[in-house]
Amino acid sequence: EAEVAQSPRYKITEKSQAVAFWCDPISGHATLYWYRQILGQGPELLVQFQDESVVDDSQLPKDRFSAERLKGVDSTLKIQPAELGDSAMYLCASSLGNRGPETQYFGPGTRLLVL
Amino acid sequence: GENVEQHPSTLSVQEGDSAVIKCTYSDSASNYFPWYKQELGKRPQLIIDIRSNVGEKKDQRIAVTLNKTAKHFSLHITETQPEDSAVYFCAASRGGSNYKLTFGKGTLLTVNP
Repeated sequence: EAEVAQSPRYKITEKSQAVAFWCDPISGHATLYWYRQILGQGPELLVQFQDESVVDDSQLPKDRFSAERLKGVDSTLKIQPAELGDSAMYLCASSLGNRGPETQYFGPGTRLLVL
Repeated sequence: GENVEQHPSTLSVQEGDSAVIKCTYSDSASNYFPWYKQELGKRPQLIIDIRSNVGEKKDQRIAVTLNKTAKHFSLHITETQPEDSAVYFCAASRGGSNYKLTFGKGTLLTVNP
């Protein structure tokens, strides 16, 4: 069964450093999502792509976060500079992208610790 | 924007008992309500979902009910087993070009053998 892939699985960095996370959605899925999950809470959407276009980045802290999906397939989420409060699980999800609400499939996540 | 409240935050039951988790939402335009199960250190996985044109959906030991008038929906797990122990998240979304899911804060379910 196809799954969403993410790397790295764990990342430890010092504050003010740059970090990058990679996501490869399920083949054929047009919609890709990046979520942040703080321990003990539900995932919160950071950015949503439809193919290579950003559909929603209203919750993305654009002064330090950036995301791209240049060819409409895999995606990279970057944080520069990292802050202590960025410590969290970063989850990527994908869905087919047909019209209407549909199942989102999640990757295993990247757990970030900022020291 | 949408706001999803989930209760209880923790739930402990004996094996074989039933478990019920409740969620309320604020956006009357929401029409898709999935439930995800997340085991410790693993990815969230969809266990059941319901759309606004039905009031109840069942899949073996799991069922979800939806009351659109009251804007609440519930997850019911019958004959609980230790492997049901996990964090459960409800979510809500409206249709259209933006299928953003808004999640509740989660319920930690513990099934005691």
